[in-house]
This record gives sequence, structure tokens and C-alpha cells, in this order.
Amino acid sequence: DADVTQTPRNRITKTGKRIMLECSQTKGHDRMYWYRQDPGLGLRLIYYSFDVKDINKGEISDGYSVSRQAQAKFSLSLESAIPNQTALYFCATSETTTATTDTQYFGPGTRLTVL
Amino acid sequence: GENVEQHPSTLSVQEGDSAVIKCTYSDSASNYFPWYKQELGKRPQLIIDIRSNVGEKKDQRIAVTLNKTAKHFSLHITETQPEDSAVYFCAASKNSNYQLIWGAGTKLIIKP
Repeated sequence: DADVTQTPRNRITKTGKRIMLECSQTKGHDRMYWYRQDPGLGLRLIYYSFDVKDINKGEISDGYSVSRQAQAKFSLSLESAIPNQTALYFCATSETTTATTDTQYFGPGTRLTVL
Repeated sequence: GENVEQHPSTLSVQEGDSAVIKCTYSDSASNYFPWYKQELGKRPQLIIDIRSNVGEKKDQRIAVTLNKTAKHFSLHITETQPEDSAVYFCAASKNSNYQLIWGAGTKLIIKP
């Protein structure tokens, strides 16, 4: 789904470095999410945002921070990367509707390796 | 906190046979249950979902069933085809916080 994009797609970095992963969407959705995916563990929610002024911690927020610069942009930062943050990171968006929850649309993912 | 368990972790079936993946959730307040498919190297995509006011939903070869009493829901794929090979994730959420809690995934292998 080209409406949700992530940069970079791949990144190799060293322990202790600061890293920013960026997500942009043209779907006009209010809600945005950051997940990490590890083999055998599925998708785990890091942070989510229901609008520009609303940011919430997810299941595994320690070691991460986020910024919602605009409705269309949601960035994830690792202030001081460590090897166990090596994972595939996905951004997702969903629409605010009258339904309780709705379809989440994922970006292509960023593969991050911390050496 | 809420937990979603998914079984099996790997499922291998003969092409043309049916496949069933089961998830169990812990929070009885959960009321929305989607299933996502992730092909190798691709992003997860929603394939079907069900809300707690219905017991079954079908879309061509795929169906989802929900048993609220037992707190489990299942994905059924009939007449499996090679393109069904992927990792399937279940998830659950409730009204109060809108977060999806995900199962660990099932790798479905379709044998020719």
C-alpha cells in the first residue's frame, strides 16, 4: 500500500547511536502506530497516536520515543540504540470511524540492525 | 494485561485441503477480532475481521468463527492454494483503548 511509506527501509547502526525512523501517510488517517516485529513474537505495539496532540505508550515503549509532527507524519526515535532493538519496524495507520476499531494499514517496514 | 495465544505456530497442509488456525484471548471485554496475512517480505494486510455481536463471518474461501463463552476465535481456509502460504496473525481489542493485542503468528505452508 503506497499510501503509507517508511524511511529508511534498511538501516545498520552501532550501539549507542541515535536513530530516527520516519513514517508518512497520504490516507488522511488520524491514527498512527509504531510496531516492532520479532520472529516468534508477532507484532508488539511501541507507541500510538490518535491525533497530533495525543500520543500514548504501547506495550514496549522503553528505549523509544516518538514525535507526531503533523497528521501525516509519525517518527520513532531510538535515543541510544542497543542490539536487542534489532528488529523489523512497522508503521501503521487507521481511520477514526464510528466503529470501535478499524483496519490498520501498514507501511513496508524498516529493517533495523544494531551492532 | 490482555493476552492473545495463537496455535499452531506452524501449519503444513496439502494443497486443496483446509487449514484452521485458532486464537484464544484473555479479556472477556474484547469485542473486535481481525486476522492479518503477511506474505514473505511484505507488510501485514487485513483479510477478515469479526465483531462480538456475530458468531461467524465468511468471505469466499476464508471464514472466521467466534466463541465468546470459550474466548476463542478461529480462521478457516478451505481449498487451500499456493498463494495462501504466509504468516497469519490474529488480534483482539476492546472498546476502551482501541489497541490491538496480537497473537504470535502462524506460518502456513501449502504443500503441492
